Amino acid sequence: ETAVFQTPNYHVTQVGNEVSFNCKQTLGHDTMYWYKQDSKKLLKIMFSYNNKQLIVNETVPRRFSPQSSDKAHLNLRIKSVEPEDSAVYLCASSWGSSQNTLYFGAGTRLSVL
Amino acid sequence: QQKVQQSPESLTVSEGAMASLNCTFSDGTSDNFRWYRQHSGKGLEVLVSIFSDGEKEEGRFTAHLNRASLHVSLHIREPQPSDSAVYLCAMVSGSWQLIFGSGTQLTVMP
Repeated sequence: ETAVFQTPNYHVTQVGNEVSFNCKQTLGHDTMYWYKQDSKKLLKIMFSYNNKQLIVNETVPRRFSPQSSDKAHLNLRIKSVEPEDSAVYLCASSWGSSQNTLYFGAGTRLSVL
Repeated sequence: QQKVQQSPESLTVSEGAMASLNCTFSDGTSDNFRWYRQHSGKGLEVLVSIFSDGEKEEGRFTAHLNRASLHVSLHIREPQPSDSAVYLCAMVSGSWQLIFGSGTQLTVMP
């Protein structure tokens, strides 16, 4: 099956903890992204990673960092979570960085207590 | 800061009746707009991409773009209960950023 796979589906943690979310795509794409979707369903791009080039949305706090071992994997680490980090995190991939067609994973829902 | 406003927030239609969703954007600098659909618990599925003024049809989904009026719409012909989902419009900003609207929850009643 070719798609974008995210783990875990849900994660509950406490303020100050470190969390890490995994994303893998089997579509052969060369660009991957992380988006944050808030409670109002507003999607905001966080990172774009293409051919070892990382583009960061300047509004993303420094406690967030992407980690990639190869073009099929892009994980997201949050060093010390805060309550406002509660959201759904969506991983996506595409061929090229134009985002003409984006394939999204099902998302990871993070709840920070 | 560029913004995308969607309306209505929610829409209920009967099966077979046309469903129309709207988006307005804050400026006319983009020439790349998309409509996505998100079923509950699923990822985003792109429905239509439109790059110039006028109409673009993909199956039962038709997008209309009018950059002069800063408006893009989506019309769903003969909607079915399986089309019930959140619909998101997005515009491409600069070379890589997608700016999304907040979505319209569509419910199609059988």
